[in-house]
Amino acid sequence: AQSVTQLGSHVSVSEGALVLLRCNYSSSVPPYLFWYVQYPNQGLQLLLKYTTGATLVKGINGFEAEFKKSETSFHLTKPSAHMSDAAEYFCAVTGGNNFNKFYFGSGTKLNVKP
Amino acid sequence: SAVISQKPSRDICQRGTSLTIQCQVDSQVTMMFWYRQQPGQSLTLIATANQGSEATYESGFVIDKFPISRPNLTFSTLTVSNMSPEDSSIYLCSVEVSYTEAFFGQGTRLTVV
Repeated sequence: AQSVTQLGSHVSVSEGALVLLRCNYSSSVPPYLFWYVQYPNQGLQLLLKYTTGATLVKGINGFEAEFKKSETSFHLTKPSAHMSDAAEYFCAVTGGNNFNKFYFGSGTKLNVKP
Repeated sequence: SAVISQKPSRDICQRGTSLTIQCQVDSQVTMMFWYRQQPGQSLTLIATANQGSEATYESGFVIDKFPISRPNLTFSTLTVSNMSPEDSSIYLCSVEVSYTEAFFGQGTRLTVV
């Protein structure tokens, strides 16, 4: 079975500050891990993904995430927040016999203060 | 990549009625997925729709409540039947281009009154 836990349903940072959104996963098989972003009234857009290989993955808009197997974590970071980063972020996992099924975390709403 | 169009984008419906949501993809895909996003919650997979076969429903979802059609490789519909206020959610269509990427429609925001 697979699941995702996102700590913090709301995160608020100042513009220019570090963004850190936490994601922990549970998987009995090597996971594929994803971060999606959802802007108001829009669908989900892929930010980045980890499948195999390098554990530090870079995505769009300056975001990156590091897969840490020992910590079962896949936290999303961005060195300097921009107002346009305000959105909801979802971590997701798939893998094993259920490669086609994505299991999503509960989401984290990021607020960026001027 | 894949571009997904969902209709309607939003609707307000009376309880007891049904709403059919359409999902159109700009390329042929084997599997299409329907998700529900209840207010303040994450996405939950409703069912997987393959062309030429019956949809496969996740635990807690049944065909009588959420009938799905998949007439061809670029189109699917999800019907929310006999609606109640608890069905107020965002419903999203998704397709997988590969094992490592899923694309989502913009969603249908449903309010049941």
